[in-house]
Amino acid sequence: AQTVTQSQPEMSVQEAETVTLSCTYDTSESNYYLFWYKQPPSRQMILVIRQEAYKQQNATENRFSVNFQKAAKSFSLKISDSQLGDTAMYFCAFRLYSTLTFGKGTMLLVSP
Amino acid sequence: DAGVTQSPTHLIKTRGQQVTLRCSPKSGHDTVSWYQQALGQGPQFIFQYYEEEERQRGNFPDRFSGHQFPNYSSELNVNALLLGDSALYLCASSLAGTGTEFFGPGTRLTVL
Repeated sequence: AQTVTQSQPEMSVQEAETVTLSCTYDTSESNYYLFWYKQPPSRQMILVIRQEAYKQQNATENRFSVNFQKAAKSFSLKISDSQLGDTAMYFCAFRLYSTLTFGKGTMLLVSP
Repeated sequence: DAGVTQSPTHLIKTRGQQVTLRCSPKSGHDTVSWYQQALGQGPQFIFQYYEEEERQRGNFPDRFSGHQFPNYSSELNVNALLLGDSALYLCASSLAGTGTEFFGPGTRLTVL
């Protein structure tokens, strides 16, 4: 079974600074997808960024980028120029076939 | 372009009762997955429906059942409710083969 580990229960950052959230996963498969989702207090789960395992290039979406290290099974999320609206729970997720497996999440608090 | 919608928003039931939750997928999507998110945890995969069939199932008892209709909308049914079924139930939709799911706002179920 696949597992996803987020070792940082909480992180704090000030506006305009950069923060990196960590994620590791365990699988014996070679073709899979990795995701970061954010869940603000409103509860809506919002897709932040996606990475296909077969792609060596790290995905980027505006202020969000990932550092994908396939051999190390590591998938960290970097948020640049943090904004107050980035305050949310961030979940790392792994997809193999039909199943999406989530980590326990990292609560990110952005302060003025 | 409507996103994923779920109804109802909140629901309160008592132990032993049955509940039905509903989900309409994002326009153009044909696959629906259901997740259970307990307080302070990441979502847990319940099952996925495609072409009106259950395609994959997570580690949930048979009290959890579902259905997908020809218009791709879906229902989640839970029988003989237990206190431990209290959670946020999330529906996610995708287009088969794309690997990326988009989530609805969730239904908060409270079992008393």
